Amino acid sequence: QVQLQETGPGLVKPSETLSLTCTVSGGSISGYFWNWVRQPPGKGLEWIGSIYDSGNTNYNPSLKSRVTISLDTSKKQLSLELRSVAAADTAIYYCARDWGYSGSYYPWGQGTLVTVSS
Amino acid sequence: DIQMTQSPSSLSASVGDRVTISCRASQSVSHYLNWYQQKPHKPPNLLIYAASSVQSGVPSRFSGSGSGTHFSLTISSLQPEDFGTYYCQQTYSAPQTFGQGTKLQIK
Repeated sequence: QVQLQETGPGLVKPSETLSLTCTVSGGSISGYFWNWVRQPPGKGLEWIGSIYDSGNTNYNPSLKSRVTISLDTSKKQLSLELRSVAAADTAIYYCARDWGYSGSYYPWGQGTLVTVSS
Repeated sequence: DIQMTQSPSSLSASVGDRVTISCRASQSVSHYLNWYQQKPHKPPNLLIYAASSVQSGVPSRFSGSGSGTHFSLTISSLQPEDFGTYYCQQTYSAPQTFGQGTKLQIK
């Protein structure tokens, strides 16, 4: 079955760029929307943005000026860049597939905690 | 943005109880409403999609209903493994938004 795994630095300094990769295994990357969602420790879920296999992206307006999501279909990876980070960007970052039913997400990656601190 | 409001924010119930969690949208989301269960230190797990369709592998005690702006998730007979935090999500319009979560504890 399809599995997702997020990787990237666990610590980023304020004002720098957070960069994460999500590797897809066990299934095709084509034909789906792929999403990034974050969750500050102990808090709720926030959608960051999505990308389709065509490269079309859609971002949360609250983050749009700082976010870039990209897709490498040959490597079956999607990437997240979040620029000019601050402490408020400390969160668990998840990648998730929109599997085509009501925009719901299945599966999700296990998530990776990114802490913004000097 | 469409605001999603869940109630209650937390609840405690006993094994065997019937539990209902509500989710209200600030404007109509048609049937584009999904429910997730999240356990500590785990990613969310899809339970219900399109308001009332039960994801494969999810126990039949879970059900969803509603359309437009009012939705509910019902657990017909609570089991010990049902603890966790439940989130609704609207995917009708961008940005997709989640409810604030309902934390379910077992008495």
